[in-house]
Amino acid sequence: GAVVSQHPSRVICKSGTSVKIECRSLDFQATTMFWYRQFPKQSLMLMATSNEGSKATYEQGVEKDKFLINHASLTLSTLTVTSAHPEDSSFYICSAPRTAANYGYTFGSGTRLTVV
Amino acid sequence: AQKVTQAQTEISVVEKEDVTLDCVYETRDTTYYLFWYKQPPSGELVFLIRRNSFDEQNEISGRYSWNFQKSTSSFNFTITASQVVDSAVYFCALRNTGTASKLTFGTGTRLQVTL
Repeated sequence: GAVVSQHPSRVICKSGTSVKIECRSLDFQATTMFWYRQFPKQSLMLMATSNEGSKATYEQGVEKDKFLINHASLTLSTLTVTSAHPEDSSFYICSAPRTAANYGYTFGSGTRLTVV
Repeated sequence: AQKVTQAQTEISVVEKEDVTLDCVYETRDTTYYLFWYKQPPSGELVFLIRRNSFDEQNEISGRYSWNFQKSTSSFNFTITASQVVDSAVYFCALRNTGTASKLTFGTGTRLQVTL
């Protein structure tokens, strides 16, 4: 079945540094990737939608300069949290929509980011 | 705008009890898809079911069953004879049929099954 490999699974970084999270589609081409953020005991909130070869679309309230998204190829989308602060500590998860016939999604396994 | 409501924040049951997780949705689309996902403590989302808006037939999969009522915009999930391994957060979600449509998640229901 379709797999999205997300790395790293856990990362601890210092305030002010940047962290890159990668999502790779291993056996299919992901022209679109959704990036979600989930705070403890809360739901998944969509941050942005990346499309291969074009600029990402950010949801209202999400700082595009802080959360840099790149979708340079059909198999790789990255989210970089720049100048991270403790309030950015969260669970980040990517998701690729599947074909029209399926209407399902393939999720990455998530990245737990802790900023100290 | 789409919206998914899971009114039950947390549910605690004793093993072997049946439990129903409620999901109510709002959409203006006539064609849409509904999903249920399980999120264990590891965080990874586990797909449980997808149902399209034209198929109101209820579904059973082992101890899991789903009741889709379009008239009340509900898509409830029942676990029969619950087990400790069922302890997790369960999310109901909605999408329309656009090629790359995003999922709108409910707030989730945390299920705790104890011995």
